[in-house]
Amino acid sequence: EDQVTQSPEALRLQEGESSSLNCSYTVSGLRGLFWYRQDPGKGPEFLFTLYSAGEEKEKERLKATLTKKESFLHITAPKPEDSATYLCAVSRGLYNTDKLIFGTGTRLQVFP
Amino acid sequence: NAGVTQTPKFQVLKTGQSMTLQCAQDMNHNSMYWYRQDPGMGLRLIYYSASEGTTDKGEVPNGYNVSRLNKREFSLRLESAAPSQTSVYFCASSADRVSNQPQHFGDGTRLSIL
Repeated sequence: EDQVTQSPEALRLQEGESSSLNCSYTVSGLRGLFWYRQDPGKGPEFLFTLYSAGEEKEKERLKATLTKKESFLHITAPKPEDSATYLCAVSRGLYNTDKLIFGTGTRLQVFP
Repeated sequence: NAGVTQTPKFQVLKTGQSMTLQCAQDMNHNSMYWYRQDPGMGLRLIYYSASEGTTDKGEVPNGYNVSRLNKREFSLRLESAAPSQTSVYFCASSADRVSNQPQHFGDGTRLSIL
């Protein structure tokens, strides 16, 4: 069964304390892995798409990487404004790539 | 720079009442989606529309109907609301179904069924 698991469920960091969030997946025919950020009371906001193992994407303090089994979202020297829930989702199959499977998210809190 | 707009933002219903959630996008996207988000669960697809004039069931379609009114608008209807439908509902859109482009989400409708 296709599945996406995110860990940890929650993460508390001190400002400046770097860490990583994990998204592991078991899907047949991965076409892409998406990272989203979700603030309380808001919809998911797109961050990155990764298409193949070895690929990396960066944006400010965030860096996403992909292997054949998992993806990491590395947060370098986080700030309080990075506090949010981070979601990952995968698409699979040759056609109809938009039927995404979402993980349950990692809730990140960064304290000053 | 509106993107995906959902109305209303909040709604409280009594069991058995009906209502329609509205969604509009201004990105000229072909595909649109309705999801629900519940605590401890990932976003789950209710219905989707690959293009104007077509709709299909997702993972959890029971108790819902949809209408793709035109290319911009995609509505979700609860005919007879049940407490199990208490959730946060998100609408999303993407360029199409096959190019693997990201979906873009609205800010949701928070729905409570008493």
